[in-house]
Amino acid sequence: SQKIEQNSEALNIQEGKTATLTCNYTNYSPAYLQWYRQDPGRGPVFLLLIRENEKEKRKERLKVTFDTTLKQSLFHITASQPADSATYLCALDVSSARQLTFGSGTQLTVLP
Amino acid sequence: EPEVTQTPSHQVTQMGQEVILRCVPISNHLYFYWYRQILGQKVEFLVSFYNNEISEKSEIFDDQFSVERPDGSNFTLKIRSTKLEDSAMYFCASSSTGYSNQPQHFGDGTRLSIL
Repeated sequence: SQKIEQNSEALNIQEGKTATLTCNYTNYSPAYLQWYRQDPGRGPVFLLLIRENEKEKRKERLKVTFDTTLKQSLFHITASQPADSATYLCALDVSSARQLTFGSGTQLTVLP
Repeated sequence: EPEVTQTPSHQVTQMGQEVILRCVPISNHLYFYWYRQILGQKVEFLVSFYNNEISEKSEIFDDQFSVERPDGSNFTLKIRSTKLEDSAMYFCASSSTGYSNQPQHFGDGTRLSIL
């Protein structure tokens, strides 16, 4: 069965450092992979989307890579700030474009 | 920036009662979705809706659930006879198309508590 795993439940880093979050998937070849941010008690907020034929995508301090051979996406936040503290979710269209399957998320805490 | 709005933010209901959760998707979007998130667990897909019909549904979306677009702006999720295990955050989302290259935009959810 398809599986989506995010590297750890929690990640603590110092302000100013680069945070790197991992999303691994098995038994599937997605055309797209998406990253969302979720704050406590709020809905997921879309951050970035990357296509299977794109190696890397950037938006301001965010960078996503997509390695279809390793079946892995890395999500980087450079020059991290306490305001970046949140849970980050990766999501794939495992069975259909109209049905996102989410990973369990990584809770990032940026320490001042 | 346009956003998806959901009401109420918190709904408390007795087990066995019917509940309707409401959503106003982004106005020019064509696809609508419901997801749920049980406390401490993953966000799970329930159903997608397009052109006044269910497009896809998950195993969770059984006969107790129904969706409706009663007018040009609202999108509702009804649970006919609630169970304790229906307690969760329910998120509505919308997208401009049903293609994978379009993100889904989520509301802030309704916290449903079944007593």
